[in-house]
Amino acid sequence: QKEVEQDPGPLSVPEGAIVSLNCTYSNSAFQYFMWYRQYSRKGPELLMYTYSSGNKEDGRFTAQVDKSSKYISLFIRDSQPSDSATYLCAMSAGTQGGSEKLVFGKGTKLTVNP
Amino acid sequence: DSGVTQTPKHLITATGQRVTLRCSPRSGDLSVYWYQQSLDQGLQFLIQYYNGEERAKGNILERFSAQQFPDLHSELNLSSLELGDSALYFCASNYDGNQETQYFGPGTRLLVL
Repeated sequence: QKEVEQDPGPLSVPEGAIVSLNCTYSNSAFQYFMWYRQYSRKGPELLMYTYSSGNKEDGRFTAQVDKSSKYISLFIRDSQPSDSATYLCAMSAGTQGGSEKLVFGKGTKLTVNP
Repeated sequence: DSGVTQTPKHLITATGQRVTLRCSPRSGDLSVYWYQQSLDQGLQFLIQYYNGEERAKGNILERFSAQQFPDLHSELNLSSLELGDSALYFCASNYDGNQETQYFGPGTRLLVL
């Protein structure tokens, strides 16, 4: 079983739709959870960062972490064509967890159609 | 623009050759990370340096090596190149060396023929 699983999509939605992106993981030591956005031919860009369980909201973006289910989500409200990108989830146990590396999902490619 | 710069943007070389990729972190950042991104493996962590010292190692092959210089720029050396090494190589940086928040450069696209 891979440490982080992410549905690669592709996902195509109309403008204005609510988008739900998800990742599951197997390592219970993970406590830091991130979402990165990667436009074509660009480097990943940090979008959301969450520690432990709960929700975090930033504008049209909401990140949710459910550690009991080992499941994280990113919701995009009122999606725009400019949101078209590949979204990567990432997580780590942090320094105290004994694992120094950030583990990424393979990414979900999202297209928002005008 | 993240402030992390990488050179070259593109690199085409032949199997068996050696190449060097260069990364300049954001101003003030002490830690540099290297990643490889391929279609089948996704983004894979290779190695981390913090203020000149190796801090963490990921799935880095023995044919690959890296270093961070006193001015904090970093180089990733790839030798005895194979077709399977063709990928995007990203550098990321941050100040405190904690893995959770990193700023990525634009990447170097390597093609091994």
